This record gives sequence, C-alpha cells and structure tokens, in this order.
Amino acid sequence: DAGITQSPRHKVTETGTPVTLRCHQTENHRYMYWYRQDPGHGLRLIHYSYGVKDTDKGEVSDGYSVSRSKTEDFLLTLESATSSQTSVYFCAISWGVGSNTGELFFGEGSRLTVL
Amino acid sequence: AQSVSQHNHHVILSEAASLELGCNYSYGGTVNLFWYVQYPGQHLQLLLKYFSGDPLVKGIKGFEAEFIKSKFSFNLRKPSVQWSDTAEYFCAVTYSGSARQLTFGSGTQLTVLP
Repeated sequence: DAGITQSPRHKVTETGTPVTLRCHQTENHRYMYWYRQDPGHGLRLIHYSYGVKDTDKGEVSDGYSVSRSKTEDFLLTLESATSSQTSVYFCAISWGVGSNTGELFFGEGSRLTVL
Repeated sequence: AQSVSQHNHHVILSEAASLELGCNYSYGGTVNLFWYVQYPGQHLQLLLKYFSGDPLVKGIKGFEAEFIKSKFSFNLRKPSVQWSDTAEYFCAVTYSGSARQLTFGSGTQLTVLP
C-alpha cells in the first residue's frame, strides 16, 4: 500500500452543511489529488496540490475548496453541501516527484451522501 | 478539451474468452497512457502504463496494451480472462500540456461469468 488514509470513509449529511474530507499520506510525496467517482463519468479531478500551500483547480472544482498546510495532509471542503455532491471521493498521490509521470496511487475512498 | 473515450460501457464474457477493451484519446501530442483496475469495493490500482519505447506494454495479471499512435488508441487485452478479472477498468492519459493532471475515461465494467 502507498500509505494513504482517507477519513471519514462514510458520511451522511444534509444539504447546506459543511463537510471536510481528509487525506493523509505517510510517503512524503509532493503531488496529491482529489477525484470524485460517479457512474458513467469515471473519475473527475476536483483539485490537486503540487506542494504545501500550492493548489490548483481541476475539471469539477466548483463548490469545493482545498487546503494543504502540511506535506502529509490534503483537505477537501464542501462549504455548503448539495445533493449533486453525493459521490465517492478518492484521494491520490503521485510518486513522480518533479517528473509529472501521472502514475497515481489511490486511497480507499470516502463515500459521501448528501440528503 | 482533451478527452479519453471508452466506448464499451459493460462487457460480459465467459471464462477463458479473450478480452479487448477500447480506449481512444483526443490529443495529438505527447501522452503517457495508463490502465487502472477497480475490483468491487476497492480503490483503483495501476494495471499497466506506457511512457515511451515499445508500444506493446505488459502489465500485471497477464494484461497487455498496445499504443497505436496513428489511431490515438491504447487498447487493453488479455488472451484468457478469469472470473477474478471481474472489475471496472479505466483508461487514463496525461497530456504534455497538463502533465500534472491525469484524465480518465468513463470506465468499462467487465463481468466474467464462471
């Protein structure tokens, strides 16, 4: 395993509430990513980070924010959850330090249900 | 925008049948190509990858893929599938212009009947 832990693994919340998902890695890798997985859409990139305090938007970033204050932690926040954000969220890290190889290792996923 | 297409959404095979899953990408420049597999209830795992060199790439569990640049394709193959290959398969690509991002196809669900 690549030493990636996501928490919580399952969460049910109500529309309009804030939600934070945490990704923790023990591998000291520079690149960290948040994807969401939905049927028929595969995985879509929400945000990614290429270093502490360095983040950028992905394909589906609206309604999400991220923070990375330490190398090992990458937080995904839904400021006001909506039903369309019901999904499975995967964190990933990249071994390709500085090389952008694209090879990713994934966490176990966090299943979020917004009622 | 660059995209990855997997035209087979659900494939059903019997054990020992041969498998070929299609993957096409839209970008004409330099790409790195990947196949990931997701077994039921699990996270994605790398199956194989292509960066350069021999266009025929061999991965784990007897899978292979062939990069055909002229067709913008990277099809996944296995000569004889097993029940344990039942999973969802995702093709993914990194484009030279956005090398920090990995773009995924929508996935192909493979069901192997015993």
